[in-house]
Amino acid sequence: GENVEQHPSTLSVQEGDSAVIKCTYSDSASNYFPWYKQELGKRPQLIIDIRSNVGEKKDQRIAVTLNKTAKHFSLHITETQPEDSAVYFCAASGRGGADGLTFGKGTHLIIQP
Amino acid sequence: GAVVSQHPSRVICKSGTSVKIECRSLDFQATTMFWYRQFPKQSLMLMATSNEGSKATYEQGVEKDKFLINHASLTLSTLTVTSAHPEDSSFYICSARAGSLDEQYFGPGTRLTVT
Repeated sequence: GENVEQHPSTLSVQEGDSAVIKCTYSDSASNYFPWYKQELGKRPQLIIDIRSNVGEKKDQRIAVTLNKTAKHFSLHITETQPEDSAVYFCAASGRGGADGLTFGKGTHLIIQP
Repeated sequence: GAVVSQHPSRVICKSGTSVKIECRSLDFQATTMFWYRQFPKQSLMLMATSNEGSKATYEQGVEKDKFLINHASLTLSTLTVTSAHPEDSSFYICSARAGSLDEQYFGPGTRLTVT
């Protein structure tokens, strides 16, 4: 089955700086890669996703890059703000999302004021 | 749009009893629903995938006789934890996927505590 590795487990950055979280996946059949933000006790919120036919996608301060050959994808958050503090999960799925999601272990992002 | 609800939000039950959790898609028809479990400070783990009108597909290591899943309609899936034990205490989250769209819409989760 799919295995998703995520690094780092904790990331502390100064407000206004950029944050980068990296994930690798093992199953070459995976073709859908969403990123979620989860606050304590809440449901995961989709912040951005990318399909395997696209190398990069951007939405305001958030961008995701995908390298299919290397089987890794990354989340980039620019101009970080205190409200960006949360746990972020990457995930992978096959069949365009029809399969269930395999999640990484999560990154606790801390924005220092 | 694309709202998924879960009920109850919190439940406490005694060891040995069964608990049913409902997952509903409120404004769309969900061809597929997924059930995940999340232990404190850990990631979400897929338990099973359910398609309306057919038997659920369970992930390796998940006991199908303990975690009964029923997807009776395009807007409702239920997860019943049978003979609950304290180690079943967890945050159970469902998600629903509509047709050809990739995105899974998550419910708010159910916090289960088994005493």
